[in-house]
Amino acid sequence: GAGVSQSPRYKVAKRGQDVALRCDPISGHVSLFWYQQALGQGPEFLTYFQNEAQLDKSGLPSDRFFAERPEGSVSTLKIQRTQQEDSAVYLCASSFRAGGIYGYTFGSGTRLTVV
Amino acid sequence: AQSVTQPDIHITVSEGASLELRCNYSYGATPYLFWYVQSPGQGLQLLLKYFSGDTLVQGIKGFEAEFKRSQSSFNLRKPSVHWSDAAEYFCAGNYKLTFGKGTLLTVNP
Repeated sequence: GAGVSQSPRYKVAKRGQDVALRCDPISGHVSLFWYQQALGQGPEFLTYFQNEAQLDKSGLPSDRFFAERPEGSVSTLKIQRTQQEDSAVYLCASSFRAGGIYGYTFGSGTRLTVV
Repeated sequence: AQSVTQPDIHITVSEGASLELRCNYSYGATPYLFWYVQSPGQGLQLLLKYFSGDTLVQGIKGFEAEFKRSQSSFNLRKPSVHWSDAAEYFCAGNYKLTFGKGTLLTVNP
């Protein structure tokens, strides 16, 4: 597609519920990143894929967070047993090649509210 | 640890005035540096990036940034601000995009 698409745009989850957030990167983009942006803060790195390989997951805040990109295109970020502190905007970005030299294109994000 | 710092949380300028947003980085080698803009409810849009070469980088919307190794800075500038430039601006570095906390720009008419 023309841009990075994320769905849903908004998600309200009850505490303890599992959620799945989807990212459709730009076709042909090798690198895919997930970020978490809390209110009033800058985005924080969660995880990075190169094709289907998850090369860096050092930013995932707990083992309740899990990301996958099984066919090297669409990615899903799953949060199990959501907590209130998980409320944030989750941003996905993709890049043509690794290293970012071509820049990163961001989606509009999924705003997750845990109640 | 690699980090990016934006010292100014909020800046207000008058329309037509010049703008400089500050960014400081701490990296050992030549860093990859970026400036992004985020309008309310919108995703992040890349303004410009620096990897190597000419230290003065031109970006979109009339923005430019200068990489100064001696000062560990990568400040964003615009000679004349438009009301539509009001937004949150983020400096970021390295391939994983370590972001600063952002600078909110308000433009007065």
